[in-house]
Amino acid sequence: NAGVTQTPKFRVLKTGQSMTLLCAQDMNHEYMYWYRQDPGMGLRLIHYSVGEGTTAKGEVPDGYNVSRLKKQNFLLGLESAAPSQTSVYFCASSYMRQKTEAFFGQGTRLTVV
Amino acid sequence: GENVEQHPSTLSVQEGDSAVIKCTYSDSASNYFPWYKQELGKRPQLIIDIRSNVGEKKDQRIAVTLNKTAKHFSLHITETQPEDSAVYFCAAFMDSNYQLIWGAGTKLIIKP
Repeated sequence: NAGVTQTPKFRVLKTGQSMTLLCAQDMNHEYMYWYRQDPGMGLRLIHYSVGEGTTAKGEVPDGYNVSRLKKQNFLLGLESAAPSQTSVYFCASSYMRQKTEAFFGQGTRLTVV
Repeated sequence: GENVEQHPSTLSVQEGDSAVIKCTYSDSASNYFPWYKQELGKRPQLIIDIRSNVGEKKDQRIAVTLNKTAKHFSLHITETQPEDSAVYFCAAFMDSNYQLIWGAGTKLIIKP
């Protein structure tokens, strides 16, 4: 039972480089989310999706783009990485819109140098 | 903007004692309040949640209380054990923008 799987687990980028984080869930959840976690700041929502083909901005969307071409996958893209994007990124999914248990991936530790 | 304040940021208790973590929220229309536990290097996992039509909910050693008038809710852990050491996050679902807003987290340390 895989649940929510993120790839990669670790990545180091140089300033200005681009990359895509992949999130896959096998629970047939409609809702998927991308968060970033910084020390002392809890979890902040970057973007979310309420279904295949839909995306919406969260609390801190600047510098990121997302796509949900398939129900089970939610991609997070960084077009031009900046040191301020150094963080741990978590993907999550849920059955209902944030009013039920969210299942998290194992996280991606991204360092931008 | 809407926010959730969580206190304390660090809590150290003796094994076997109780721990209480408190959160306050700003949106009076909030109606869903989950608590997540995150062990070091692991993903957050739901441990208990409460909805606004209930004042208290228990699950073995864990309980959550909600005071809608004061707009605060608390996590209570009794008979603490070493495996309770983790960071705990509260959150509140804001009907004003349909988003779950998270507290900054509490690092709970259980002293042997």
